[in-house]
Amino acid sequence: DVKVTQSSRYLVKRTGEKVFLECVQDMDHENMFWYRQDPGLGLRLIYFSYDVKMKEKGDIPEGYSVSREKKERFSLILESASTNQTSMYLCASSLGGQGLGETQYFGPGTRLLVL
Amino acid sequence: GENVEQHPSTLSVQEGDSAVIKCTYSDSASNYFPWYKQELGKRPQLIIDIRSNVGEKKDQRIAVTLNKTAKHFSLHITETQPEDSAVYFCAAKGYSTLTFGKGTMLLVSP
Repeated sequence: DVKVTQSSRYLVKRTGEKVFLECVQDMDHENMFWYRQDPGLGLRLIYFSYDVKMKEKGDIPEGYSVSREKKERFSLILESASTNQTSMYLCASSLGGQGLGETQYFGPGTRLLVL
Repeated sequence: GENVEQHPSTLSVQEGDSAVIKCTYSDSASNYFPWYKQELGKRPQLIIDIRSNVGEKKDQRIAVTLNKTAKHFSLHITETQPEDSAVYFCAAKGYSTLTFGKGTMLLVSP
């Protein structure tokens, strides 16, 4: 059973703070993803990674960075949090390759409020 | 890049009715089309998917159809039950990553 966990379910930060969101998967998946989910906008890809130390920009990378130092861990960093980054953040992982490897498994989400 | 449009944004049905959610995509190179269900307060989970070499796929009360020529695909839920109430997301995968639709909130009334 795939497990994707996120470090916090709820987080409240101040404008300008540096924020770290952590995601860990326990199934040796190659691929990891960070999305933000906003009402009426669906799931939008921020960054993804196909391998350790590798990262690729998604559709909305501005204001975010990521780190993947170990295969099982993918961190999302808000260098200087702003109120428009208040959102639900979802991490996901997939095995990689075609077929079953394309299924993405999501974490429970982190609801971030920036004041 | 890929653009996925999903309709309707909300759908209310009576228990036992059928529900249909439709999506269109823009990139003709897309070849994988999953559907995710997100219950209130929970994480999205894959419920069914289809590849571009298949026109239809069924799994019990759920079916997905794909029309490559028109670049649209649909989710069909028959004999809806209250536990089907959730937000449903379609997605399309082209070269590398999934692009999701904006979601459909399905409400099944007893």
